[in-house]
Amino acid sequence: DQQVKQNSPSLSVQEGRISILNCDYTNSMFDYFLWYKKYPAEGPTFLISISSIKDKNEDGRFTVFLNKSAKHLSLHIVPSQPGDSAVYFCAASPYGNKLVFGAGTILRVKS
Amino acid sequence: DTGVSQDPRHKITKRGQNVTFRCDPISEHNRLYWYRQTLGQGPEFLTYFQNEAQLEKSRLLSDRFSAERPKGSFSTLEIQRTEQGDSAMYLCASSPELRGRAGMEQYFGPGTRLTVT
Repeated sequence: DQQVKQNSPSLSVQEGRISILNCDYTNSMFDYFLWYKKYPAEGPTFLISISSIKDKNEDGRFTVFLNKSAKHLSLHIVPSQPGDSAVYFCAASPYGNKLVFGAGTILRVKS
Repeated sequence: DTGVSQDPRHKITKRGQNVTFRCDPISEHNRLYWYRQTLGQGPEFLTYFQNEAQLEKSRLLSDRFSAERPKGSFSTLEIQRTEQGDSAMYLCASSPELRGRAGMEQYFGPGTRLTVT
């Protein structure tokens, strides 16, 4: 059973516009959420995270929003740049141990 | 600033052979994790260590898999009698001691790609 779901396999955005990547989860025990970015032939790179006690966390061009009642989080990238083209994984953690990942969304930023 | 390193980066082996992978975590990170990633999927948790103690193992980790972290530093993941279904990217990650909500982030190595023929 997939506890973390990224329902959009891919997303294409024009350079300079906003990219919005979505993620849904089912397990109420998850209390920390993370986004990772992955380039081919590299390991995932940590991007931004949010605790369940918050509903928003911002770091430069990246903002993560958490809606606990809907069990939904999203990553906003503004403005999108061609170098942002990568696979983005949403991950959730119960009590700071293992991470449970979604299947990923391929983001393509067109110049 | 040394990140997580993994060796080898690629391994091709024949079915039935044993393979061993190594992971060196970020210095002073006391927690170390192993994940497996197959094409089109996100990483799946295999096991994790806090210092030298193996604290959790996934159901994915069959009896043919064993992981160690002697002295709480580097870790090895061994797969015995490899099968074609073991072909995947094996990722290692480390994180510092958990203090409240600090230390939740895990930092990944480049992975070892295993191909079983």
